Amino acid sequence: AQSVTQLDSQVPVFEEAPVELRCNYSSSVSVYLFWYVQYPNQGLQLLLKYLSGSTLVKGINGFEAEFNKSQTSFHLRKPSVHISDTAEYFCAVSSPWRAAGNKLTFGGGTRVLVKP
Amino acid sequence: EAGVVQSPRYKIIEKKQPVAFWCNPISGHNTLYWYLQNLGQGPELLIRYENEEAVDDSQLPKDRFSAERLKGVDSTLKIQPAELGDSAVYLCASSTVGGDTQYFGPGTRLTVL
Repeated sequence: AQSVTQLDSQVPVFEEAPVELRCNYSSSVSVYLFWYVQYPNQGLQLLLKYLSGSTLVKGINGFEAEFNKSQTSFHLRKPSVHISDTAEYFCAVSSPWRAAGNKLTFGGGTRVLVKP
Repeated sequence: EAGVVQSPRYKIIEKKQPVAFWCNPISGHNTLYWYLQNLGQGPELLIRYENEEAVDDSQLPKDRFSAERLKGVDSTLKIQPAELGDSAVYLCASSTVGGDTQYFGPGTRLTVL
């Protein structure tokens, strides 16, 4: 079974400051990793994903994440946040095996509040 | 390209009433997912379809929940009867068969009074 832990439920941050959202996962097999963002009253939008290859993954809106296999982590970072980055962020894991059906297991989410 | 479409966006009902949610996936996406998202939590898979076949419904509470995808495109999720604890956001997502990325709709926010 797979599980995802997002270590911070809320992260307040000032505008133009950097932010890091922490994500750890547990899985007995290799994984695909994802970060999704959810703006108020909207669905989930894909920020970035790690499937294989380079452990540093760049996504939309200036976000990036680094896959660390030994630490089983996939932390999300942005060097300078904007007010518009206020949202909830979800880390998720799935299995690359066809039989698993690409089932996503999500963490509990991290609410980012950007203050002016 | 149009995204995943869901309706209604919001629904308020009395407990014990039935309710239905509709989802139209991205064109060409044969895999469709329904997720339940409780307040302050991440989404949890209810059911996954590949074309018309429900290939994973192990998390669907079958005593009151049902789903269908008759022609392998649109899907409907139904609750009958609704309970207070069913208040949540119901998300639909789609992907290509074997695709690594799921694309989500805006969700239906259900409030049961």
